[in-house]
Amino acid sequence: NAGVTQTPKFRVLKTGQSMTLLCAQDMNHEYMYWYRQDPGMGLRLIHYSVGEGTTAKGEVPDGYNVSRLKKQNFLLGLESAAPSQTSVYFCASSLAGYDEQYFGPGTRLTVT
Amino acid sequence: AQSVTQLDSQVPVFEEAPVELRCNYSSSVSVYLFWYVQYPNQGLQLLLKYLSGSTLVKGINGFEAEFNKSQTSFHLRKPSVHISDTAEYFCVGRNAGNMLTFGGGTRLMVKP
Repeated sequence: NAGVTQTPKFRVLKTGQSMTLLCAQDMNHEYMYWYRQDPGMGLRLIHYSVGEGTTAKGEVPDGYNVSRLKKQNFLLGLESAAPSQTSVYFCASSLAGYDEQYFGPGTRLTVT
Repeated sequence: AQSVTQLDSQVPVFEEAPVELRCNYSSSVSVYLFWYVQYPNQGLQLLLKYLSGSTLVKGINGFEAEFNKSQTSFHLRKPSVHISDTAEYFCVGRNAGNMLTFGGGTRLMVKP
């Protein structure tokens, strides 16, 4: 099992550009999450999904959109990148809401 | 809503010395607490968790944590650290909606 994988590992964008981050899990988990990690602030939840075809807002959803068209994939989109979105993005998944979350290796995004 | 505070942003310690990473939580509902570890350039992995029962929780790699309701604390300890324990450690709470709330992180730096 690969667990949770994220593509790409690194990306540099210019202000205003768009991009999509891909998260994939092979554990048949229902729940998937997107977090951002900033120094001194731990991880903050952007959006999450409780099953295929569903999405919900987390703590810091502004400027991001998500889609869960297939159970194993969870996409995070930035329509118009801003320097404030420079961060490390982590995807996670869990079997149910109260279960342990398994994290991907992260994507380091820089917006100039 | 539950919040989690890690009292030290960095903890330097010599190899084979004991270490304690401090965490306080605030909550008016049931308490579910976790410690996650993030090794350099990797995702997060679960060290240990407290859901109920014994207040002393043992985790992987020789770590343990004690849940103290009267002091609203969940400090992480290890009696003898190794160079390989150098990482960032996150104290995490779970709120009533099953979402995770992260502390700001503590960077453990083990020196030879």
